[in-house]
Amino acid sequence: DAGVIQSPRHEVTEMGQEVTLRCKPISGHNSLFWYRQTMMRGLELLIYFNNNVPIDDSGMPEDRFSAKMPNASFSTLKIQPSEPRDSAVYFCASSLRRKEKLFFGSGTQLSVL
Amino acid sequence: GESVGLHLPTLSVQEGDNSIINCAYSNSASDYFIWYKQESGKGPQFIIDIRSNMDKRQGQRVTVLLNKTVKHLSLQIAATQPGDSAVYFCAESDQTGANNLFFGTGTRLTVIP
Repeated sequence: DAGVIQSPRHEVTEMGQEVTLRCKPISGHNSLFWYRQTMMRGLELLIYFNNNVPIDDSGMPEDRFSAKMPNASFSTLKIQPSEPRDSAVYFCASSLRRKEKLFFGSGTQLSVL
Repeated sequence: GESVGLHLPTLSVQEGDNSIINCAYSNSASDYFIWYKQESGKGPQFIIDIRSNMDKRQGQRVTVLLNKTVKHLSLQIAATQPGDSAVYFCAESDQTGANNLFFGTGTRLTVIP
């Protein structure tokens, strides 16, 4: 299995631009998570899906952030408009079932100038 | 929510020595604990997990100890190698909360050759 696949690996954009991060979870996993990692705040859960349905989005910073999971093999995290404070590493993770260990992707390093 | 915290932000050990990384948690309802290793530029990688009905679990060169009385978790790495240099996170979840893991702030382990 290729593991959780994220793209792009690096994204550099200017303030105000739209950013779309992509994730392909491990085949057969029912839960998908988006995390953000910064030096100041560590790993923060943004949103999680179970069977493609958003369950908890309380970690999404504000309305500029949105996430979708149109099918079991694909999810996107969108930031519109992006701001410099959104600069961070964004990780996608999946798990086989609820309360199971997460498998993380390699992350997307986002820099908003 | 309640948080997970680490006692030591950094740890340096000589190659070949044993390493012990500690983690305190505050949620008495937590029943599942995981240790992750994160190398530079990569996503967190699962190392070992333990459920609250156990107090010790061993893997290859790693042992996790759980003391529910004092809400303490530790990761022991035997014969530490340079490849063990990374940031180590503990994470916890409970059956009553949302389906996500609460991550500690991490401990950076540096192995001195």
